[in-house]
Amino acid sequence: EAGVTQSPTHLIKTRGQQATLRCSPISGHTSVYWYQQALGLGLQFLLWYDEGEERNRGNFPPRFSGRQFPNYSSELNVNALELEDSALYLCASSQLGDYGYTFGSGTRLTVV
Amino acid sequence: AQSVTQLGSHVSVSEGALVLLRCNYSSSVPPYLFWYVQYPNQGLQLLLKYTSAATLVKGINGFEAEFKKSETSFHLTKPSAHMSDAAEYFCAVSDRRDDKIIFGKGTRLHILP
Repeated sequence: EAGVTQSPTHLIKTRGQQATLRCSPISGHTSVYWYQQALGLGLQFLLWYDEGEERNRGNFPPRFSGRQFPNYSSELNVNALELEDSALYLCASSQLGDYGYTFGSGTRLTVV
Repeated sequence: AQSVTQLGSHVSVSEGALVLLRCNYSSSVPPYLFWYVQYPNQGLQLLLKYTSAATLVKGINGFEAEFKKSETSFHLTKPSAHMSDAAEYFCAVSDRRDDKIIFGKGTRLHILP
């Protein structure tokens, strides 16, 4: 069974640009979660999607947005990139109600 | 609001010694609790989870954790540390009302030869 896959593995952007990160969940999982892991800040909850709908959102500005497609894959968009957006972005998936996520390996975003 | 506190951002133990990573939680409702491990440049892997069945939970790689409601704790233990256990460990909590999981800041485990 394929795990949660994220692309790209690494992404380098210039301040002010937009970044798009992608995530494919485990087959059969309908929920996708996004977390930001910045140095020294631990894992911060960003977004939760289930069945194509945004279910919950963390304390991040609106320039962090995303969507979930009919095949349950998901995209995270970060607009107007700032230097402090540099972090490892982790995607996880689960079946709704089945507590305990499966994580992907992450996308390392570097803003220069 | 739910939260998790991990005591000690770095813990060092000798190979073969007991591993004890401490976690205390705060939740207004009976929680679900988790331990995850993260190896360098990788995502997080679920070690074990407590979902209100047995209070002593056994996980992968010889780890286990005990839910103690009176102490609001969920400490992770392993009887004998191995070099391959060196990693960062995250305790996490969910209040069951939704699927959102809140993570602690992590404890980096160092294994001394």
